[in-house]
Amino acid sequence: DTAVSQTPKYLVTQMGNDKSIKCEQNLGHDTMYWYKQDSKKFLKIMFSYNNKELIINETVPNRFSPKSPDKAHLNLHINSLELGDSAVYFCASSPEGRGPETQYFGPGTRLLVL
Amino acid sequence: QKEVEQDPGPLSVPEGAIVSLNCTYSNSAFQYFMWYRQYSRKGPELLMYTYSSGNKEDGRFTAQVDKSSKYISLFIRDSQPSDSATYLCAMKHQAGTALIFGKGTTLSVSS
Repeated sequence: DTAVSQTPKYLVTQMGNDKSIKCEQNLGHDTMYWYKQDSKKFLKIMFSYNNKELIINETVPNRFSPKSPDKAHLNLHINSLELGDSAVYFCASSPEGRGPETQYFGPGTRLLVL
Repeated sequence: QKEVEQDPGPLSVPEGAIVSLNCTYSNSAFQYFMWYRQYSRKGPELLMYTYSSGNKEDGRFTAQVDKSSKYISLFIRDSQPSDSATYLCAMKHQAGTALIFGKGTTLSVSS
C-alpha cells in the first residue's frame, strides 16, 4: 500500500502551459505539504495545509496555487509555467504538523518545462 | 547565510568505512533535528531524529547534536554499498510545521 502517492510521476510541458500535480495520502494524517527540490537537490517548503486549511505559504509565485478538497488530498496547480519551474515536486504528510513527528514523502513528480 | 549549511560532497568511501556527515545551523529556535535518506529518484525517508543535545544510536547509525555549537552529525559505521544515497539534515522549530533542509550530502560506498 502506497502511503503518499503523486500523479503524474513525470511531466514534460511547454512554457506558458498550465498543469496540475495530484497528491493523496492514506495515512489519516491531518497535515500535508508541498516541497520543491531543485537541480542541486535543495529541498524547500512551498505550502503546508492542516485539515484543508493553509498554514504555510512560503515566498512562492502566485502562479502556484495549492488546493485541498479534503484532508487526504493536496493538489498543486501551476499557471503559465516557466523554465525555472523545472524541478522535482514532493508531497508529504504528517499526523498533526507539530513537534518531532515524521513527515512521509511521496515519490516525487519530475517537472520539465521546455 | 542560509539557515542550514551542509556540504554537498560528493563523498566516496570504501565498504566498511566510518562515514561522518555534518550540518551547521544559525537559528537557535530549532528544536528538532532529523536525518533523511534519499535514494536516487525516490522521496526522502526519515532515518533518525533527535531533539536534545547528545547522541542517539540506531544500529549502524549514530546521530549527534551539539546545540551550543549549532552543529549536528550523522555517523555511519561499517558502511555498505546500500548506504549509497543522498543524506539530508532537516530541522524544525518547536511550534513550526515545515522542515528546513540542508542541501544534502551525496554518499557513494564502493564494494
